[in-house]
Amino acid sequence: DTAVSQTPKYLVTQMGNDKSIKCEQNLGHDTMYWYKQDSKKFLKIMFSYNNKELIINETVPNRFSPKSPDKAHLNLHINSLELGDSAVYFCASSQYGQGAGDTQYFGPGTRLTVL
Amino acid sequence: GNSVTQMEGPVTLSEEAFLTINCTYTATGYPSLFWYVQYPGEGLQLLLKATKADDKGSNKGFEATYRKETTSFHLEKGSVQVSDSAVYFCALSDPGDFNKFYFGSGTKLNVKP
Repeated sequence: DTAVSQTPKYLVTQMGNDKSIKCEQNLGHDTMYWYKQDSKKFLKIMFSYNNKELIINETVPNRFSPKSPDKAHLNLHINSLELGDSAVYFCASSQYGQGAGDTQYFGPGTRLTVL
Repeated sequence: GNSVTQMEGPVTLSEEAFLTINCTYTATGYPSLFWYVQYPGEGLQLLLKATKADDKGSNKGFEATYRKETTSFHLEKGSVQVSDSAVYFCALSDPGDFNKFYFGSGTKLNVKP
């Protein structure tokens, strides 16, 4: 059983399009995250939800909108895609979202290529 | 603020060599420290962690000790294998800020037979 899953694994699209990436975790965790990994492998947090409530919202263009329909799902919708949005997007989850040593578990990633 | 600095890669070693990947951090509070590993085309997997000063995390022959006095969490392995080839990320979590993770830039390890 996959703990944190993402779809699609690859996404190739044209500039200006709108696309969504879906994430699901079956670990019963309370907190979920979206990260962006650039071409140099640098990882930066974008958003975090705890029990469907937004708790971390980094400086991200408002073309990016996360949505959490329930605590097992966190989707990322991107409007008006730009070339600079090309990256690998990782979803992660953690049991509490607080407390020492709370480990984050990562999905396999979605490689987004904007042409 | 919080930040993590890792040694630049790539690091290339022969099989059975000793590995050290340096990681230092700055933190405003009392962070937990982690090492994650990313194999090609995959997501990040937790390798080990430590939650307080002088704790040692260990897993699969890898070790790292939380050193508050030197603000370091260096990763070591006594004898690397070809299968250890991957990118290694040092990270800290800030319990005072919703456990936000701060990652280092990653260090690519190549192990040759």
